[in-house]
Amino acid sequence: DGGITQSPKYLFRKEGQNVTLSCEQNLNHDAMYWYRQDPGQGLRLIYYSQIVNDFQKGDIAEGYSVSREKKESFPLTVTSAQKNPTAFYLCASSVDPSSYEQYFGPGTRLTVT
Amino acid sequence: QKEVEQNSGPLSVPEGAIASLNCTYSDRVSQSFFWYRQYSGKSPELIMSIYSNGDKEDGRFTAQLNKASQYVSLLIRDSQPSDSATYLCAVIPDTGRRALTFGSGTRLQVQP
Repeated sequence: DGGITQSPKYLFRKEGQNVTLSCEQNLNHDAMYWYRQDPGQGLRLIYYSQIVNDFQKGDIAEGYSVSREKKESFPLTVTSAQKNPTAFYLCASSVDPSSYEQYFGPGTRLTVT
Repeated sequence: QKEVEQNSGPLSVPEGAIASLNCTYSDRVSQSFFWYRQYSGKSPELIMSIYSNGDKEDGRFTAQLNKASQYVSLLIRDSQPSDSATYLCAVIPDTGRRALTFGSGTRLQVQP
């Protein structure tokens, strides 16, 4: 089955720890995205990548880092510098950067205490 | 002004009625619009995109774009309780950034 997978579904961490969220797609899509969603709010763009080995900051990149070493993978690291990391994290992909129809993975709910 | 704005709701309609969800946008967006549905605790799902002025129909869903008034609507005919969800409007910012900007969503409740 083609799709986007994110793991784990729920993640718990102590404050001060870095944590990496996984995002994998087997759709052969060029572009991948990370969004954050807080309760009752829309999605805010963290980072996006149009092609392997290239990525751009979104609106709220501070405290986050990404890599795009393979076409199918776009992991997100939430660092200890992120002030309020508890949120629902969503990964998405699109066929190519000119196609704005984005398809989402199931999400990872991160709780930091 | 934000690039895209939605009323948070909830919008409550009886089963079988037409639900009308609206989204307004600023001058700072390109003329392509997307509607996503998000069930509670789940990820957004693309339901429609619209690129030109007028109406676009897909089953029970109709997207309407009015460029003169700068709004885009989603109509859901014969609303079902299973349509109860948050509906997110998304736009392409006119900044060259190749990613969508999302509204905060409108929560729809369809009463049986």
